[in-house]
Amino acid sequence: AQSVTQPDIHITVSEGASLELRCNYSYGATPYLFWYVQSPGQGLQLLLKYFSGDTLVQGIKGFEAEFKRSQSSFNLRKPSVHWSDAAEYFCAVGELSGGSNYKLTFGKGTLLTVNP
Amino acid sequence: ETGVTQTPRHLVMGMTNKKSLKCEQHLGHNAMYWYKQSAKKPLELMFVYNFKEQTENNSVPSRFSPECPNSSHLFLHLHTLQPEDSALYLCASSQGTGLYTFGSGTRLTVV
Repeated sequence: AQSVTQPDIHITVSEGASLELRCNYSYGATPYLFWYVQSPGQGLQLLLKYFSGDTLVQGIKGFEAEFKRSQSSFNLRKPSVHWSDAAEYFCAVGELSGGSNYKLTFGKGTLLTVNP
Repeated sequence: ETGVTQTPRHLVMGMTNKKSLKCEQHLGHNAMYWYKQSAKKPLELMFVYNFKEQTENNSVPSRFSPECPNSSHLFLHLHTLQPEDSALYLCASSQGTGLYTFGSGTRLTVV
């Protein structure tokens, strides 16, 4: 079965600083990988996805992530963090379910705090 | 508005009560999901429905009973819950790509 590890439970950065959130996955085949963000009291919103092709993918809100097969990693990055980026971030891997849909397995999440 | 609507937003119920959570999407998606989100634990997939048919039950206790009358609506019927069932219950839908649209969730407290 697939699994996702986010080794950092909580990260604090200063506004304007760069950010990298780590994600490692375990999956036998070529993975479908995702990053979602959750603001307090809200559901999850998709930031970006990797299905195939270019290993550096761009997402919304200035985020990007790089797929590294050799390291089984899909780290999320942003060059300059804004206070509004404070939220919880979830990495996920997708697996075919029921023949035509993908079920997602999520990591435990990384809580991002942004200091002014 | 995310396109997936969950009601109620908050629910407090006793262990002997029966209640239902509702999820509705009008995005034309064919798959709907229930996830449980507890503090300090990963999101747990509970049920998957594809074109109204249940395709996955992730060893969920029978006190949770899902219902999917059509591709736009999904319910989670609750009865004789335990305090450890208190959590945020998230509904999501997708069109077969893993690109989920989530609702805002129902915060359930079992007393």
